[in-house]
Amino acid sequence: SYELTQPPSVSVSPGQTARITCSGDALPKQYAYWYQQKPGQAPVLVIYKDSARPSGIPERFSGSSSGTTVTLTISGVQAEDEADYYCQSADSSGTSVVFGGGAKLTVL
Amino acid sequence: QVQLVQSGAEVKKPGASVKVSCKASGYTFTSYGISWVRQAPGQGLEWMGWITPYNGNTNYAQKLQGRVTMTTDTSTSTAYMELRSLRSDDTAVYYCAKTTYYYDSSIGAFDIWGQGTMVTVSS
Repeated sequence: SYELTQPPSVSVSPGQTARITCSGDALPKQYAYWYQQKPGQAPVLVIYKDSARPSGIPERFSGSSSGTTVTLTISGVQAEDEADYYCQSADSSGTSVVFGGGAKLTVL
Repeated sequence: QVQLVQSGAEVKKPGASVKVSCKASGYTFTSYGISWVRQAPGQGLEWMGWITPYNGNTNYAQKLQGRVTMTTDTSTSTAYMELRSLRSDDTAVYYCAKTTYYYDSSIGAFDIWGQGTMVTVSS
């Protein structure tokens, strides 16, 4: 079955830039979506269609795509950004949704 | 405001069934999809499937085919997810999510989530 691969953890200091990657063979032809999940809370959509930002999401969150890898970038990381981040996309047929394993962002 | 409110926690025995509800408000229910996602304790997100309330079309994760049924009641703007033949590894928080489709994307964005429903399967 299709898989999306994320690093288990990413650590940055406040004010620095965090980059969380997500790799998958179908990403060149399927859009990626990113979700933030804080402990005990439901996920929140932070990026859709690779790089679009929903209303209400801070401008420091951005997304990009290059080949089989998509990247969520958080510029000027704040303590409140500490959370798990999940990428999501579809398999090559476009019929099955897949989530990455999640990356825990730690703000040092 | 747009929100999804799910039914309360459930405790079930192995082999039983569970039906979780998800009541939508603040938007036109039939203009968007409803997706279901679950999360086992300490684990990641797992997509279960989606339903299009407008016509009742469904798309289930292959892993759950035959055990899951998703339905909607458009008169009350409520979606339902029923999971049968429960096993201990079905213990998880179950989420519904409003799904916005795009003409140029195979899948939609899960842009509003319910608060989650904890389902515990234990003898």
